[in-house]
Amino acid sequence: DGGITQSPKYLFRKEGQNVTLSCEQNLNHDAMYWYRQDPGQGLRLIYYSQIVNDFQKGDIAEGYSVSREKKESFPLTVTSAQKNPTAFYLCASSITSGWGDEQFFGPGTRLTVL
Amino acid sequence: QQQVKQSPQSLIVQKGGISIINCAYENTAFDYFPWYQQFPGKGPALLIAIRPDVSEKKEGRFTISFNKSAKQFSLHIMDSQPGDSATYFCAASMGRDDKIIFGKGTRLHILP
Repeated sequence: DGGITQSPKYLFRKEGQNVTLSCEQNLNHDAMYWYRQDPGQGLRLIYYSQIVNDFQKGDIAEGYSVSREKKESFPLTVTSAQKNPTAFYLCASSITSGWGDEQFFGPGTRLTVL
Repeated sequence: QQQVKQSPQSLIVQKGGISIINCAYENTAFDYFPWYQQFPGKGPALLIAIRPDVSEKKEGRFTISFNKSAKQFSLHIMDSQPGDSATYFCAASMGRDDKIIFGKGTRLHILP
């Protein structure tokens, strides 16, 4: 059953703690993306990776970090430097790095920082 | 220049009616306009997409209308059903090398 998995679905953390969100895909896609979704704000790009061992900052990368050591995995770390981390985080992938390709989204992780 | 403005923010339509969501853009270099559908608690999924060389694209009950001169495009959902209740995002991008810019979304509710 091919697709994108994100874990956990819900995550609670205390303020000041780093937290890592998991994203795995078995679609053999080259490109992977992280978006943040806030109510009424649409989807904002955090980081993206077009190939393994390479990634670029998106529009709101401050306070976040990523790695792409394997083609199928693109974890996102929300650091204590992120001022307002409570949000719904979405991971996506596409077959190539072309932005005109369809992006397939995971089910999301809702992070709440207490 | 990089924004995609989407309206309305929320929409309530009777079952069987037509749902219309509008988007406008400024950057004439945009050449790919997808619409994504998101159900509560799920990730978005591509619904339908259009390129500016056509004025309309239809897939089942979903139609994109594109007005290049007005820099506007819209999604029409014919014979709207309760199962269409979701958040819809329009988006735009410039060719294969540029990121996708998403609108802020429209929450659509179809009354049974």
